[in-house]
Amino acid sequence: SQQGEEDPQALSIQEGENATMNCSYKTSINNLQWYRQNSGRGLVHLILIRSNEREKHSGRLRVTLDTSKKSSSLLITASRAADTASYFCAQTGANSKLTFGKGITLSVRP
Amino acid sequence: NAGVTQTPKFQVLKTGQSMTLQCAQDMNHNSMYWYRQDPGMGLRLIYYSASEGTTDKGEVPNGYNVSRLNKREFSLRLESAAPSQTSVYFCATHYGTTGGVDTQYFGPGTRLTVL
Repeated sequence: SQQGEEDPQALSIQEGENATMNCSYKTSINNLQWYRQNSGRGLVHLILIRSNEREKHSGRLRVTLDTSKKSSSLLITASRAADTASYFCAQTGANSKLTFGKGITLSVRP
Repeated sequence: NAGVTQTPKFQVLKTGQSMTLQCAQDMNHNSMYWYRQDPGMGLRLIYYSASEGTTDKGEVPNGYNVSRLNKREFSLRLESAAPSQTSVYFCATHYGTTGGVDTQYFGPGTRLTVL
């Protein structure tokens, strides 16, 4: 299985602080995506980074990819209480299927 | 547009009962997927359909069957439910005929409990 692992499993920060979440994976990938899941809801796509990209930005989100270390990080700047959710990284490998990690629970305290 | 819809939202079954989970999309997407989500396990792919008329097994297909009824609808059937199938089930869609290259869009989920 090429299932990745996110780190940390849980993160609690104060509103306004930055949140950094990490993801490691095992095999070569075509791209890596980050999704958010609010409690009791489906997953929502946040950002995709391709294997030939190193960094990508979208609003308050910044994602990096280091294919030599098989790792990615998601940075949420100036966090808000509404950012409280679970975050998943997902990789697309040679079989073109998405493989999800176990997720990171982010709590942003007002 | 409703996007991806799933019915029912909640279901309780007894061991051995059967049921069908329904998924429909109005996004004109080609690929559709069924995942299950268990605590601490992330999402695992059960079955997928790259296009109308085709289905393939994912990581955890045992105990399930699927039907791609048409381009819009992809159903998941449990023939004889077991407590190990207690989970939250998500349907997802993707525009292309191969998954993961771009964004997948998820339905709200079906929370299934098997007693």
